[in-house]
Amino acid sequence: GEDVEQSLFLSVREGDSSVINCTYTDSSSTYLYWYKQEPGAGLQLLTYIFSNMDMKQDQRLTVLLNKKDKHLSLRIADTQTGDSAIYFCAERRVPSGGYNKLIFGAGTRLAVHP
Amino acid sequence: DTEVTQTPKHLVMGMTNKKSLKCEQHMGHRAMYWYKQKAKKPPELMFVYSYEKLSINESVPSRFSPECPNSSLLNLHLHALQPEDSALYLCASSQVPDTQYFGPGTRLTVL
Repeated sequence: GEDVEQSLFLSVREGDSSVINCTYTDSSSTYLYWYKQEPGAGLQLLTYIFSNMDMKQDQRLTVLLNKKDKHLSLRIADTQTGDSAIYFCAERRVPSGGYNKLIFGAGTRLAVHP
Repeated sequence: DTEVTQTPKHLVMGMTNKKSLKCEQHMGHRAMYWYKQKAKKPPELMFVYSYEKLSINESVPSRFSPECPNSSLLNLHLHALQPEDSALYLCASSQVPDTQYFGPGTRLTVL
């Protein structure tokens, strides 16, 4: 199938690390993305990783990719209340026709509490 | 600059109305996308324009009519919508093919 799967909910204490997990299906995927969506807003690109990489770090964000298991994770260090949002994992596929198609997971709702 | 703008921010319309949603980008991207997002769900792809030509229509009802007048602008014309069409409509753009950047969305309510 073409499903991308994510756990639906994560609750963390402010200052702790958050880890959001995702599994994907297409072994030929070239890019995998993390988008953040705050209530009532659009999708904000957080980071992405190319499929020949194992890890990418960008300030508080660390993305780990296990190609063998088709598993992607997003770690947010020192989680803040402003990180509360829905996080979507997305797998990019490139059909013929000159565009790219994103296959989204269901989204993980991250709740940060004091 | 990675900005995609959408207008209006909110739209309320009756089932007999005709309205349009507008999306604009000035990043030189040649692919533009319309998505529909219901509450607590991921975005669903509706249409893709590549080099101003319609590349994909994901079996969207004809009451939704997309238009791409030029490489920076994408419209979605709405006519005779149903209450179940109420949703957040998101526009995105990308280089061909590359990372998609999303706009803030238009919250549509159909009465």
